[in-house]
Amino acid sequence: GQNIDQPTEMTATEGAIVQINCTYQTSGFNGLFWYQQHAGEAPTFLSYNVLDGLEEKGRFSSFLSRSKGYSYLLLKELQMKDSASYLCAVRAPYSGAGSYQLTFGKGTKLSVIP
Amino acid sequence: DSGVTQTPKHLITATGQRVTLRCSPRSGDLSVYWYQQSLDQGLQFLIQYYNGEERAKGNILERFSAQQFPDLHSELNLSSLELGDSALYFCASSLPEGGILEQFFGPGTRLTVL
Repeated sequence: GQNIDQPTEMTATEGAIVQINCTYQTSGFNGLFWYQQHAGEAPTFLSYNVLDGLEEKGRFSSFLSRSKGYSYLLLKELQMKDSASYLCAVRAPYSGAGSYQLTFGKGTKLSVIP
Repeated sequence: DSGVTQTPKHLITATGQRVTLRCSPRSGDLSVYWYQQSLDQGLQFLIQYYNGEERAKGNILERFSAQQFPDLHSELNLSSLELGDSALYFCASSLPEGGILEQFFGPGTRLTVL
């Protein structure tokens, strides 16, 4: 089975740093994705980790520990436009012929306040 | 703009009715994934097609069905609609190979069942 946990809501101040955690227990693992989703809009890809360690991409970084089933998304220099939901998703092992199934957590709603 | 298109944007219908949602993937993408997003359940994977063939099934009800046509566009058919089917329905597409194979999401169809 697949179980992915994230905090439901977080609040942070403009200009600050926030860390959004994700823990997972899945029957297989072939990478972890973070997506950003503004209310009523489509999820958009932020980052990808398949090996342990930190991936940095501008103001966003993502960390993975496969042995602990743990990832986090770090957002620096927060801006008001970062107010959105952040979705953690685990990709199942490749099962042939283009099948790259994702299981999503319920998302963390981040509110950035002045 | 992800390059994935979905129609219609909004759909309002009554219980017991049948509707069809349409998705066109990005140029070059062979995989189409359908997701349902409701407030309490998060983003739930329904079904995946790859180059016209069904590849993976998630939590898709028997009242729902999908297909992918030779031009690679896909349709999700929802029948005998219930109030609980009200949700945002997203499709996503991805490349067949190369890179990290992230999924690109369309803008979604908001279905309201009255």
